[in-house]
Amino acid sequence: AQSVTQPDIHITVSEGASLELRCNYSYGATPYLFWYVQSPGQGLQLLLKYFSGDTLVQGIKGFEAEFKRSQSSFNLRKPSVHWSDAAEYFCAVGAGSGNTGKLIFGQGTTLQVKP
Amino acid sequence: DTGVSQDPRHKITKRGQNVTFRCDPISEHNRLYWYRQTLGQGPEFLTYFQNEAQLEKSRLLSDRFSAERPKGSFSTLEIQRTEQGDSAMYLCASSLSVNTGELFFGEGSRLTVL
Repeated sequence: AQSVTQPDIHITVSEGASLELRCNYSYGATPYLFWYVQSPGQGLQLLLKYFSGDTLVQGIKGFEAEFKRSQSSFNLRKPSVHWSDAAEYFCAVGAGSGNTGKLIFGQGTTLQVKP
Repeated sequence: DTGVSQDPRHKITKRGQNVTFRCDPISEHNRLYWYRQTLGQGPEFLTYFQNEAQLEKSRLLSDRFSAERPKGSFSTLEIQRTEQGDSAMYLCASSLSVNTGELFFGEGSRLTVL
């Protein structure tokens, strides 16, 4: 069965420090992979997505993610974190055949940013 | 605001009552999704529509749940005979089928069943 694991429930980093959020997926075929961010009182917003091609994908707000098939991972990175990045981050994989928009989400990682 | 809107934002009800949530997607989006999110968890897929056709329903969607999108625009999610386990945030999202994977989410409707 398809699944997504985000091993870190909560991460705290200092403003200006680099960030890496981990995501591991279980999927038999080539996955469609996504990172969404959820800020308090706001809907989930897509940061970036991977469908095929270049394994390093760039997203909004200075985020990037790298797809590593051998490790079944799709980790999210940012070189320098801003206080406004504090939010909950969800990794997701497209479920079923094709890309229908049916997503399986991980349980999320809450990012706290220290001044 | 031309984003996805959901109504009501909060609903408190007693066990056994029926509740209905409404979702208005982005106007040009032909796909509409319902997800459920409980505290500390990621969203879980419930169902989705392409235009007015309901194409898939999750096993999470028991017989007490029904969703409609009668004219291919707004959608409603009704929960009959609510149970305390139905307490959750119900999220609606929409997308263009040609660009599936980029879902635009509303802020959600929070249900509390007492």
